[in-house]
Amino acid sequence: QVQLVNSGGGVVQPGRSLRLSCAASGFTFSNYGMHWVRQAPGKGLEWVAVISYDGNNKYYTDSVKGRFTISRDNSKNTLYLQMNSLRAEDTAIYYCAKVGSVAAFDNWGQGTLVTVSS
Amino acid sequence: DIQMTQSPSTLSASVGDRVTITCRASQTISSWLAWYQQKPGKAPNLLIYKASSLETGVPSRFSGSGSGTDFTLTISSLQSDDFATYYCQQYNSYPYTFGQGTKLEIK
Repeated sequence: QVQLVNSGGGVVQPGRSLRLSCAASGFTFSNYGMHWVRQAPGKGLEWVAVISYDGNNKYYTDSVKGRFTISRDNSKNTLYLQMNSLRAEDTAIYYCAKVGSVAAFDNWGQGTLVTVSS
Repeated sequence: DIQMTQSPSTLSASVGDRVTITCRASQTISSWLAWYQQKPGKAPNLLIYKASSLETGVPSRFSGSGSGTDFTLTISSLQSDDFATYYCQQYNSYPYTFGQGTKLEIK
């Protein structure tokens, strides 16, 4: 069955960097687009970024453009989110999500908590 | 960006009730709308895609309708397992956006 395992979260100071990972199994990873979605503590869901199945197309929400980079390694079945210049408002649980056959998010990772604090 | 507005923000209901949650898009999104259920401490779970298609494994008491800008999620007969927060999401264009959520509480 499809499994997405998030890792890489932690406590980081403002201005520093962190890289999140999402290890995929149970499906042909290289055939599907992948997304990152975040959720600040006690708040709703916010879409962050998407990468196409081959890594050639990427889109970001405005608040992370120029600071975050989404990437993937199809040989390792792994999705990444490189987060630079982190801010307090980036504090959230970060989920990876797989695009289903009809473009909705049909599988999600368990999430990894990023806390930006001095 | 397309704004998604859900109502109500909180809904109190009893087991067996029929409940409806609405979602309005700030511009037309055709039928590119999904509904997710999220329980505390868990990742969201896809219920409905393309406005009215039931995801595999989701109970048939859940249904979705609408197109263009106005959409609804209906639970025909609430079960205890359904008390959770529900989100709509448009995936018509980037940036994809979610509604603010509807928390379904036990009355």
